[in-house]
Amino acid sequence: SAVISQKPSRDICQRGTSLTIQCQVDSQVTMMFWYRQQPGQSLTLIATANQGSEATYESGFVIDKFPISRPNLTFSTLTVSNMSPEDSSIYLCSLAPERTDTQYFGPGTRLTVL
Amino acid sequence: AQTVTQSQPEMSVQEAETVTLSCTYDTSENNYYLFWYKQPPSRQMILVIRQEAYKQQNATENRFSVNFQKAAKSFSLKISDSQLGDTAMYFCALGVEWTDKLIFGTGTRLQVFP
Repeated sequence: SAVISQKPSRDICQRGTSLTIQCQVDSQVTMMFWYRQQPGQSLTLIATANQGSEATYESGFVIDKFPISRPNLTFSTLTVSNMSPEDSSIYLCSLAPERTDTQYFGPGTRLTVL
Repeated sequence: AQTVTQSQPEMSVQEAETVTLSCTYDTSENNYYLFWYKQPPSRQMILVIRQEAYKQQNATENRFSVNFQKAAKSFSLKISDSQLGDTAMYFCALGVEWTDKLIFGTGTRLQVFP
C-alpha cells in the first residue's frame, strides 16, 4: 500500500485563524478523500479531491470553510478557515489506489482550537 | 441511504482469549465492500480486514477473521489469541465504489487485559 504522510501532525490554533493541512503520497493516485473525526466520534467525509477538478463536498461542508487543493496526483491540502472550537478534531486524508475498493489513511492531524 | 451500526461501545478481553465485535449494515446495493479498521491511540487508521460482498467465503488475516452474513447484513470481526497491541478503537465501514466515501460505524473500544 502507498505511504501517506500528513503535516502537521498536531496543532493548537486560536479561533478566527486558518490552518492548512498537507497530505503527501509516495505514488500517484486519482482519488483522495478528506475526513473529519470529532472527539469521541466516528469519521465523516468532508470532501473528495480528484486531481484536475474541483473538490466535491458532502452535505454540511462548504468550500469557503474547507477549501481543498489538489495540484497533482501525489499531493492535496485541506484548509480549515476561520476556526472555532467546534473545529477541534482529527483530520485525516485517505486514498483509494486505482481500481481498488480499499481506502488507506494518513496518520491524521489533531487540531485543537482555543 | 447506507448505514453502519456497531452496538458495542466497549469490549474487553483477556490476553490470549478470543473476542468478537459486532457490526450490522444496510445498503440497497448488490455489490459492495466491508472493512474493519483499527485506530490505536496514535490515531492512525489501519486496515485490519476487508470482505467483498460477492464472495461467500469469509475473509481471514492471521488472527483476524470475519463472519459475513449477507442476508442478515451482519459483518462481525473475530480476534483470536488477543494481544495487548490489539487494544484500540475498531471501526466497521461500508464502501460501494472505489471512487466513493466509506460509511463508518460509531466504533467499538477494545481493551485487552494482561
